Amino acid sequence: QVQLQESGPGLVRPSQTLSLTCTVSGDSINSGDFSWTWLRQPPGKGLEWIGSIYYSGSPYYTPSLKSRLTISVDTSKNQFSLKLSSVTAADTAVYYCARAFPALDYWGQGTLVTVSS
Amino acid sequence: DIVMTQSPDSVAVSLGERATINCKSSQSVLSSSNNKNYLAWFQQKPGQPPKLLIYWASTRELGVPNRFSGSGSGTDFTLTISSLQPEDVAVYYCHQYYDTPWTFGQGTKVEVK
Repeated sequence: QVQLQESGPGLVRPSQTLSLTCTVSGDSINSGDFSWTWLRQPPGKGLEWIGSIYYSGSPYYTPSLKSRLTISVDTSKNQFSLKLSSVTAADTAVYYCARAFPALDYWGQGTLVTVSS
Repeated sequence: DIVMTQSPDSVAVSLGERATINCKSSQSVLSSSNNKNYLAWFQQKPGQPPKLLIYWASTRELGVPNRFSGSGSGTDFTLTISSLQPEDVAVYYCHQYYDTPWTFGQGTKVEVK
């Protein structure tokens, strides 16, 4: 059974960097067929794709966040991570990690990140 | 970016009746290399992550009840719930994974009349 779990701070100060990690169990992040993906959902709003990465390749980022975004993989820990710099209140959302094959078939439960001073 | 537009924004259907949700993409999501539509449907209930129902526009994910079906090709797609059950009350999203940035429809809320 594939499971994904997001972890990281629930509160981030404006202008700081939001950092989240997704731990994958029940599957190897080295599996070349899958991409590992971050998405977010502002409270009461729709879904937004943030970016995806294959373990062996370059990440794909949504253009609107590209200048502030880093997605990386740690195969030794079977984890992938998200770093979003210079956050503002507009970055407040539930952040999800997911596996894509290529449809998004397994999701984490999501973690609410609030940007506030 | 490929814009996904769902209609209606909300729909109320009696239990046991059919619910239909439409999704239109601003450009085709049909791949000429494999003749597959890169279109998925998700169900989201409050406080839960989205759940994959349909991929390749019409392939039901394992474990999804057969009252859920997807159809369409190119730019026009439909999700049909053939006989609405109480547990189907949720928001439904279409999603294209044909090209980055991947995009979603705005969501359709399905309620019981």
